[in-house]
Amino acid sequence: QSALTQPASVSGSPGQSITISCTGTSSDVGGYNYVSWYQQHPGKAPKLMIYEVTKRPSGVPDRFSGSKSGNTASLTISGLQAEDEADYYCSSYTSSNTVVFGGGTKLTVL
Amino acid sequence: EVQLVESGGGLIQPGGSLRLSCAASGFTFSSYSMNWVRQAPGKGLEWVSYISRSSSTIYYADSVKGRFTISRDNAKNSLYLQMNSLRDEDTAVYYCARDEGAIVPGDLITPWGQGTLVTVSS
Repeated sequence: QSALTQPASVSGSPGQSITISCTGTSSDVGGYNYVSWYQQHPGKAPKLMIYEVTKRPSGVPDRFSGSKSGNTASLTISGLQAEDEADYYCSSYTSSNTVVFGGGTKLTVL
Repeated sequence: EVQLVESGGGLIQPGGSLRLSCAASGFTFSSYSMNWVRQAPGKGLEWVSYISRSSSTIYYADSVKGRFTISRDNAKNSLYLQMNSLRDEDTAVYYCARDEGAIVPGDLITPWGQGTLVTVSS
């Protein structure tokens, strides 16, 4: 199972919006609405930010939103804040009853 | 407060074995499926294994199938990962993580423990 494809890095200024893409196949992202997004600050454990493509766990700001089109899922962060600077990973359930993660995207807030 | 605390990591030679443990507290452990996810130094996340609430359903990543065994003891609120035939590429921080999804593995992985480092090296 190959990792999902994410851009290595994205950047934006405070207050701006950014979007991180996550591309898979019809056997994972495109085939199921079980895409999640995780935020990881350096030296910390990952934190769930989005699940089932568009849903936010309680406590996650509504600045974070998810979407999907075909085999590509996306995470959008609006109103960027300094504390959003972190690594972001997507994941998806697969047809093999496994879970595949993306390679990760480093978000820099300029 | 929900807590997941991993232990058992350390330095091990290639070909060796190690058993990781994860102590759960602050929630009804037997009501949730669990996962192990690892992260090699400076690298991304890699899902390792999933176990359902009653241990009736277990899945593994191809990279560890046949070498790793996931198990749980609901009476002890504990999750385990028995790792055999360890390789250099198994070097990583291993995270224990609760799966709140009820249908498929990896639907809703939250929260995560702080991880335990396994280093495979001669």
